[in-house]
Amino acid sequence: KNQVEQSPQSLIILEGKNCTLQCNYTVSPFSNLRWYKQDTGRGPVSLTIMTFSENTKSNGRYTATLDADTKQSSLHITASQLSDSASYICVVSEGGNKLTFGTGTQLKVEL
Amino acid sequence: DAGVIQSPRHEVTEMGQEVTLRCKPISGHDYLFWYRQTMMRGLELLIYFNNNVPIDDSGMPEDRFSAKMPNASFSTLKIQPSEPRDSAVYFCASIQDGGGTGELFFGEGSRLTVL
Repeated sequence: KNQVEQSPQSLIILEGKNCTLQCNYTVSPFSNLRWYKQDTGRGPVSLTIMTFSENTKSNGRYTATLDADTKQSSLHITASQLSDSASYICVVSEGGNKLTFGTGTQLKVEL
Repeated sequence: DAGVIQSPRHEVTEMGQEVTLRCKPISGHDYLFWYRQTMMRGLELLIYFNNNVPIDDSGMPEDRFSAKMPNASFSTLKIQPSEPRDSAVYFCASIQDGGGTGELFFGEGSRLTVL
């Protein structure tokens, strides 16, 4: 069964610090991997989309990495801000419209 | 474009009542998806449409759930009769490229509470 596992489940960091969120998947075949940010009470918003041939992609202070051999991805947040407090969801696509969602990492950034 | 628009944002109803959720996708997007999000299970695909035609409804939990897309700019998800276990946030999303690499845009969701 295709699965996407994220860790940690939740994380609290101080403003200005960096953090890394992990995503392991067993989805096959693999087409692309996406990271979404979901603010409380809002819909998910896309941060990055990476295909098999891409091993890193940045969007401002967010940098995603992908190791398709080990089926692992990470999302690194640099110099965190209070507005980064959200749930971060890893999504893996088999191709077409078959997406498998992780249950997310809940990040809280505190002063 | 205003993005994917969903209504209502919040719905509180009693068990047994009919619930209708509405969605307007982004203009020009050929694919529309309905998802359900709960704390325990995260986001789950219920059904998706391509050019107004239902393609995969295998995620629809049971016959109480139905979805329609009468035209390219409107879709509904109906639950009849509703049950407390249907309480969740329901998201509509649309995408232009159905090949799998396009960006999926979500609406703000409809939070349903069934008492």
